[in-house]
Amino acid sequence: QQQVKQSPQSLIVQKGGIPIINCAYENTAFDYFPWYQQFPGKGPALLIAIRPDVSEKKEGRFTISFNKSAKQFSLHIMDSQPGDSATYFCAALQGAQKLVFGQGTRLTINP
Amino acid sequence: NAGVMQNPRHLVRRRGQEARLRCSPMKGHSHVYWYRQLPEEGLKFMVYLQKENIIDESGMPKERFSAEFPKEGPSILRIQQVVRGDSAAYFCASSGQAEQYFGPGTRLTVT
Repeated sequence: QQQVKQSPQSLIVQKGGIPIINCAYENTAFDYFPWYQQFPGKGPALLIAIRPDVSEKKEGRFTISFNKSAKQFSLHIMDSQPGDSATYFCAALQGAQKLVFGQGTRLTINP
Repeated sequence: NAGVMQNPRHLVRRRGQEARLRCSPMKGHSHVYWYRQLPEEGLKFMVYLQKENIIDESGMPKERFSAEFPKEGPSILRIQQVVRGDSAAYFCASSGQAEQYFGPGTRLTVT
């Protein structure tokens, strides 16, 4: 059973645009929602994370918006750059347990 | 502060051989997780360990796969009698609390 659904699968944005990646979850026991960035041949790198008692969190050009009632959260990348081209994964965690990942979004930022 | 270390980075095995993947967590981290990533797919949880204990192995195939995290030394993921379907990237993550940090992965190819 897929517990975290991520969309879109792929996304192409012009430099300077604001790509938005969406995730929805089912298990209301999840209490930590990280985003990871992965470049080809590399391991996932923790980008930013949020807990459900907060509706928005910003770190640099990356923002997470969180809607607890809808069980949805999204990643926004401000002033996107070609170097942001990567695969992005949302995930959800309950306690100190396993991460449940979305399917991933392949983001391309065109110059 | 060194990150999560994994070795080897690439491993080629013939069908029927054994594969041993090693993971050294970040300094101060006592939780280790193993995930598998098939080509063009997200990461799937395999096993969660603390020193000398398996906490959750719900994602491990019932046969041929085993994991350990001894009191001294790295965590080991062992795959016996490998088959072509075992070809994947295997990532280790470690955490002290909620955040999980990933290593660079071991890419296993079964010929």
